[in-house]
Amino acid sequence: EVVLTQSPGTLSLSPGERATLSCRASQSFASRYLAWYQHKPGQAPRLLIYSTSGRATGIPDRFSGSGSGTDFTLTISRVEPEDFAVYYCQQYGISPFTFGPGTKVDIK
Amino acid sequence: QVQLQESGPGLVKPSQTLSLTCTVSGGSISSADYYWSWIRQQPGKGLEWIGYIYYSGSTSYSPSLKSRATISEDKSRNQFSLNLISVTAADTAVYYCAREPASGVTEPKWGQGTLVTVSS
Repeated sequence: EVVLTQSPGTLSLSPGERATLSCRASQSFASRYLAWYQHKPGQAPRLLIYSTSGRATGIPDRFSGSGSGTDFTLTISRVEPEDFAVYYCQQYGISPFTFGPGTKVDIK
Repeated sequence: QVQLQESGPGLVKPSQTLSLTCTVSGGSISSADYYWSWIRQQPGKGLEWIGYIYYSGSTSYSPSLKSRATISEDKSRNQFSLNLISVTAADTAVYYCAREPASGVTEPKWGQGTLVTVSS
């Protein structure tokens, strides 16, 4: 099983700051199988990034993804008030598919 | 535009079987391009992948749920289902169905989710 580790666990930022979220895998997999989700309480997770760097439909360009092999990054160039949420990475290249434990982005 | 909709009882008694169905519209579960998955989120916890079924009928499950979960399909109704046996309060969660690309180059798509509470 591919174990995904996300860091930091919590990221405290002020609006306008840059957010860098890390997702590290216990083994390498094809980068086209890495997605990032934003999750807010009471809502379904929102797909932000798929295939490591593909921005999902309707996602603003302040969200970007990068990485390969075992190291992946989600960057929010300037955090907006609506971006405070929990972010999960997921790999769907090697069964069983797995999620990371999440990074909470909260207001500083 | 594909849409996925979960349905099933919102309340299940302990030790019984949780049964959910995902109805897919705007796309076919017979497509070789996608895995059809179940995912859940227990209260206060992160996202947990449960398993998938592929168009061929092959399945894969999370090791932690493999002994209790079964995913099946009904191609005639364009639906796939989750059965989880011997449930406990720990299985209380929001359950999501999802379409995950086999090629990795298209967007995954999720349903809105359905809350299932396990309680007597």
